[in-house]
Amino acid sequence: NAGVTQTPKFQVLKTGQSMTLQCAQDMNHNSMYWYRQDPGMGLRLIYYSASEGTTDKGEVPNGYNVSRLNKREFSLRLESAAPSQTSVYFCASSEYYRGGIDGELFFGEGSRLTVL
Amino acid sequence: AQTVTQSQPEMSVQEAETVTLSCTYDTSESDYYLFWYKQPPSRQMILVIRQEAYKQQNATENRFSVNFQKAAKSFSLKISDSQLGDAAMYFCAYRIIYGGATNKLIFGTGTLLAVQP
Repeated sequence: NAGVTQTPKFQVLKTGQSMTLQCAQDMNHNSMYWYRQDPGMGLRLIYYSASEGTTDKGEVPNGYNVSRLNKREFSLRLESAAPSQTSVYFCASSEYYRGGIDGELFFGEGSRLTVL
Repeated sequence: AQTVTQSQPEMSVQEAETVTLSCTYDTSESDYYLFWYKQPPSRQMILVIRQEAYKQQNATENRFSVNFQKAAKSFSLKISDSQLGDAAMYFCAYRIIYGGATNKLIFGTGTLLAVQP
């Protein structure tokens, strides 16, 4: 069982270039998330998708766009990369239970992005 | 707004000894979850333990246990009989229970645990 799969694992970009991080989960989860992790700042939520067809902004959405392609896939796009977007990006998924019960997050292995 | 604070950037423990990692949080909610996640050098985020705020009993998972003090808004993690494989970054996280169809976690800044042989 693969769980949450992110690609690519590593990427180096030049300022102004664009790229898309791909994420897929095989656990039939409704909700998916993109976080970024920076030294000394923990993980911060960029965007999330509570269910197929919906997306919402998290704490730090500026400079990013997302697409919930289907129930399995949730992509994160940087349209014009900036050095401030150098970070490790994590995709996660969870089940949604009405009433907020359970819903453990399952994380991918992370994608290290460097913007020069 | 909810916040999570981990005041110990780094900790060290001898193998087979016990260590406690601290976490405090701020919230006006009464129903919520608290979590400890482990991130080894592989970067994978692994759920260690979870505590429901409405439960008075502290959660325990094998060598990992928590000391949950709701009034003090404190949620510490105790690792007993520390092993070399416990070396990792540990994150405390908070989530409200009734937040709608979301599972947004608020993370602390992490504590890097070293285990000395």
